Amino acid sequence: DQQVKQNSPSLSVQEGRISILNCDYTNSMFDYFLWYKKYPAEGPTFLISISSIKDKNEDGRFTVFLNKSAKHLSLHIVPSQPGDSAVYFCAASFSGNQFYFGTGTSLTVIP
Amino acid sequence: GAGVSQTPSNKVTEKGKYVELRCDPISGHTALYWYRQSLGQGPEFLIYFQGTGAADDSGLPNDRFFAVRPEGSVSTLKIQRTERGDSAVYLCASAEGAINTEAFFGQGTRLTVV
Repeated sequence: DQQVKQNSPSLSVQEGRISILNCDYTNSMFDYFLWYKKYPAEGPTFLISISSIKDKNEDGRFTVFLNKSAKHLSLHIVPSQPGDSAVYFCAASFSGNQFYFGTGTSLTVIP
Repeated sequence: GAGVSQTPSNKVTEKGKYVELRCDPISGHTALYWYRQSLGQGPEFLIYFQGTGAADDSGLPNDRFFAVRPEGSVSTLKIQRTERGDSAVYLCASAEGAINTEAFFGQGTRLTVV
């Protein structure tokens, strides 16, 4: 049973525009959410996180939004750059235990 | 090194053989995780250590899989009687251990069972 879902396997965006990656979860016990970025043949790289006590966290071009009532989070990248092209995974955990990952969204930023 | 190190980066083994995969976490990180990633999927949890003890091993698929972390640092994932279905990228991650801190991943070991 997939507790974290990324329903869009791929996304293409023009350079300079906004990229919005979405993630849904089913377990209301999750209290910590993360986004990871993955290039081929490399391990996932931590990007940004958010605690369930917040609804927004911003770090440079990356902003994560959390809607607890909808059990939905999103990652906004603005402006998008070609180097952002990668697979993005959202992950969730509760009480600092195991992280549950989505299946990933492959982002392509077109120059 | 500064990051999580996994060795070997690639491993090809014959069906039925035994393999060991090694993970060297970031120094000082008390939490260590093993994940497995198959093509087109997200990382799938296997086991989580807090210090030397396995705090959660609920993700290990069966008793052919075992992991140890005897001194609370380096961890070894052991797979007995390997099967072709074990082929995947095995990822290790470490975290500071405090609740709700991000985990940092190694580059993974690509295991191929032929």
